[in-house]
Amino acid sequence: QVQLVESGGGVVQPGGSLRLSCAASGFTLTNFGMHWVRQAPGKGLEWVTFIRYDGNKEYYADSVKGRFAISRDISTNTLYVEMNNLRTEDTAVYYCARTGSCSGDSCYSLAYWGQGTLVTVSS
Amino acid sequence: QSALTQPASVSGSPGQSITISCTGTSSDVGGYNYVSWYQQHPGKAPKFMIYDVSKRPSGVSDRFSGSKSGNTASLTISGLQAEDEADYYCSSYTSRSTWVFGGGTKLTV
Repeated sequence: QVQLVESGGGVVQPGGSLRLSCAASGFTLTNFGMHWVRQAPGKGLEWVTFIRYDGNKEYYADSVKGRFAISRDISTNTLYVEMNNLRTEDTAVYYCARTGSCSGDSCYSLAYWGQGTLVTVSS
Repeated sequence: QSALTQPASVSGSPGQSITISCTGTSSDVGGYNYVSWYQQHPGKAPKFMIYDVSKRPSGVSDRFSGSKSGNTASLTISGLQAEDEADYYCSSYTSRSTWVFGGGTKLTV
């Protein structure tokens, strides 16, 4: 079955960097697009970034463009997001999510979610 | 990338029906049939409930249904049950090849 496990969260100072990981199992990253979505404490969901199934294109929210970079390691079936120049407003639980199947429940949906990892940006 | 507009809260009694609206623009909700809905219980990850405006993933109760008219999508929950009490979020694909979420709606049963 599909499983997504995020890790790498923690406390970082403003201006610092952090890399989050999302270990995927039950499917291959080369077959599905992957998202990162975040949720600030007590707030709603915010879409952050997406990488296409073939790894050839990435898309970013304006709020993180130029500071965050999504990537993946096919050999370990792991998704990453490198976060640089972190700001206090980046404090949130970060979820990775897999798209649905284009032949089934829509490749434009976020069909499977991990449990999230908390990033706290504070001095 | 403004968030889609949802009511902050809705409420209903067990057995009743409620509808949550999700208003965007012609660049997102109105321009594509790629609206999804997610349910989130406190402290839990979101759960995928509706895709492509009105389709239900396998395993989701048929008490949940979706629709769209113009720039506004809607989620209807019929036969409300206590376990339906949660936060609900809509999401849409956009003309910039990005995704946008609504601000979320807290459902009280």
